[in-house]
Amino acid sequence: KAGVTQTPRYLIKTRGQQVTLSCSPISGHRSVSWYQQTPGQGLQFLFEYFSETQRNKGNFPGRFSGRQFSNSRSEMNVSTLELGDSALYLCASSLEQGSDTQYFGPGTRLTVL
Amino acid sequence: AQTVTQSQPEMSVQEAETVTLSCTYDTSENNYYLFWYKQPPSRQMILVIRQEAYKQQNATENRFSVNFQKAAKSFSLKISDSQLGDTAMYFCAFMRNDMRFGAGTRLTVKP
Repeated sequence: KAGVTQTPRYLIKTRGQQVTLSCSPISGHRSVSWYQQTPGQGLQFLFEYFSETQRNKGNFPGRFSGRQFSNSRSEMNVSTLELGDSALYLCASSLEQGSDTQYFGPGTRLTVL
Repeated sequence: AQTVTQSQPEMSVQEAETVTLSCTYDTSENNYYLFWYKQPPSRQMILVIRQEAYKQQNATENRFSVNFQKAAKSFSLKISDSQLGDTAMYFCAFMRNDMRFGAGTRLTVKP
């Protein structure tokens, strides 16, 4: 089976712009979670989607949003980018929601200038 | 809120030796899951091992094993016969409804 894929792998944006990141889960996986990884804050949970519904949300401002499609692919959007949004954004998929093992993609490295 | 603490920011070990990485967590829940993930330099996060809190038996995966002490809320990872390819950042993670990670331990295996 193919692993979790994320596109694009690298992005450079400027402050105030918006960005959309994409994640394709492992075939058959229905849950997708997103994380932000920075040197200062480490790995922080953004949100989880299951069956096209957001099931859990971390402590991030409303500028961070996401969605999941019927084929379980997910996108996350960050509007009005700030310098502090520069990070590695990781997507992880699992068969089911909540307790299942998550498998991670390679990440999208976002740089905000 | 659940918190995960990894008290060793960096560790090193000689090839073929054994090393133990520490992890403690704080929760009032009884049912949860614990994981160790490794993130090699510039490569993606890989699952190392998983432990269900309701299982008393410690999980093992080849050279990797855990010491799960539920009452002490401790979940350490032992790597036996360390290999150069084990060099990576290791993250301990707690899952109840969402996944919470520790700050990580950077492990270097020296030849």
